[in-house]
Amino acid sequence: AQSVSQHNHHVILSEAASLELGCNYSYGGTVNLFWYVQYPGQHLQLLLKYFSGDPLVKGIKGFEAEFIKSKFSFNLRKPSVQWSDTAEYFCAVNAGSSNTGKLIFGQGTTLQVKP
Amino acid sequence: EAGVAQSPRYKIIEKRQSVAFWCNPISGHATLYWYQQILGQGPKLLIQFQNNGVVDDSQLPKDRFSAERLKGVDSTLKIQPAKLEDSAVYLCASSAASQSRGKHFGPGTRLTVT
Repeated sequence: AQSVSQHNHHVILSEAASLELGCNYSYGGTVNLFWYVQYPGQHLQLLLKYFSGDPLVKGIKGFEAEFIKSKFSFNLRKPSVQWSDTAEYFCAVNAGSSNTGKLIFGQGTTLQVKP
Repeated sequence: EAGVAQSPRYKIIEKRQSVAFWCNPISGHATLYWYQQILGQGPKLLIQFQNNGVVDDSQLPKDRFSAERLKGVDSTLKIQPAKLEDSAVYLCASSAASQSRGKHFGPGTRLTVT
């Protein structure tokens, strides 16, 4: 069965520190990959997505992610975090040729940025 | 554009009671999804509609959960009877096509079953 694994459940950083959140998925075929963010009290929002082409994807608010097919990974990065990045981050995969839009989410990573 | 609307935002019921949630997607979005998010986990798809037809309900506990989208616009998700393990946030999302591009999530309904 398809699955998504996020390595870090809770990350605490100081402002200006660099961020990398790990995401691995289990599916051998074509995948579409996503990172969603949920700020406190707000809706889930799309941070960035990968469908094809350049494996380095840039999203909103200075976030980027790199798709490494050989490692089944799609790690999220930001060179310098801000207090406002405090949120929960979800990696998600849409796998298979049917492309029904079904997303499989990881369990999420809570990021706490200390001012 | 207006976002995905959900109501109620919070609901507390006792086990064995029934409950219904409502979702109004973004205007023109043909695809509508219901997700269940249990505390500490990522959202899990319960059911997907394309217009008023069901595309995927493989993870919907059909003995107690039901959902409908009769006119291809808004949708209701019902639980009857509720169990303690149904305590979760129920998220509605919509998109303009069956693909994952541009999926918009609503604020969710937080259900507590006591």
